[in-house]
Amino acid sequence: KNQVEQSPQSLIILEGKNCTLQCNYTVSPFSNLRWYKQDTGRGPVSLTIMTFSENTKSNGRYTATLDADTKQSSLHITASQLSDSASYICVVSDRGSTLGRLYFGRGTQLTVWP
Amino acid sequence: EADIYQTPRYLVIGTGKKITLECSQTMGHDKMYWYQQDPGMELHLIHYSYGVNSTEKGDLSSESTVSRIRTEHFPLTLESARPSHTSQYLCASSDGQGSNQPQHFGDGTRLSIL
Repeated sequence: KNQVEQSPQSLIILEGKNCTLQCNYTVSPFSNLRWYKQDTGRGPVSLTIMTFSENTKSNGRYTATLDADTKQSSLHITASQLSDSASYICVVSDRGSTLGRLYFGRGTQLTVWP
Repeated sequence: EADIYQTPRYLVIGTGKKITLECSQTMGHDKMYWYQQDPGMELHLIHYSYGVNSTEKGDLSSESTVSRIRTEHFPLTLESARPSHTSQYLCASSDGQGSNQPQHFGDGTRLSIL
């Protein structure tokens, strides 16, 4: 069964600290993995996309990694800011159809305290 | 920010009413999607469209219906609302072929059926 599991479910850190969010998936065949940020009351916004051949990609203070062999990804946030408080959702796409079927994780709820 | 708009943002309405949730995008995207999201849970695809006059049911069974008469407009209708329809509904769109194009999300409609 194709699944996406994220950990931790929730995380509280102090402003300025770093954190790492995890995503494990069993989706096959694999096409790409995307991390979305969803602020409270808003729709998700794409942060990064990683394909099979990529193992690291950065977007400002966000760095995503992908290990396609172990089917694991992480999102590292450096020097956290209050505005980083949000849900971070891991989404994996398969190559099974033109639509690119998406499998969503339940998200990690990150809270950054001052 | 993506140009995709959903109205209303919030709706509280009684059981049995007919409801239409509006979604419009100004990016000329061919593909559009409706998702249902409950607190702490993953997004579930309930409808999608490849283009004008194309509509398909998603993975999660839904009593709602959709139409795609114009490229930019993808409304969702509930003929007779029930408390079980209470949820957040997110609309999204994407461009291009395959699964590497990001989905751009609206900010959602939070629906409460009394």
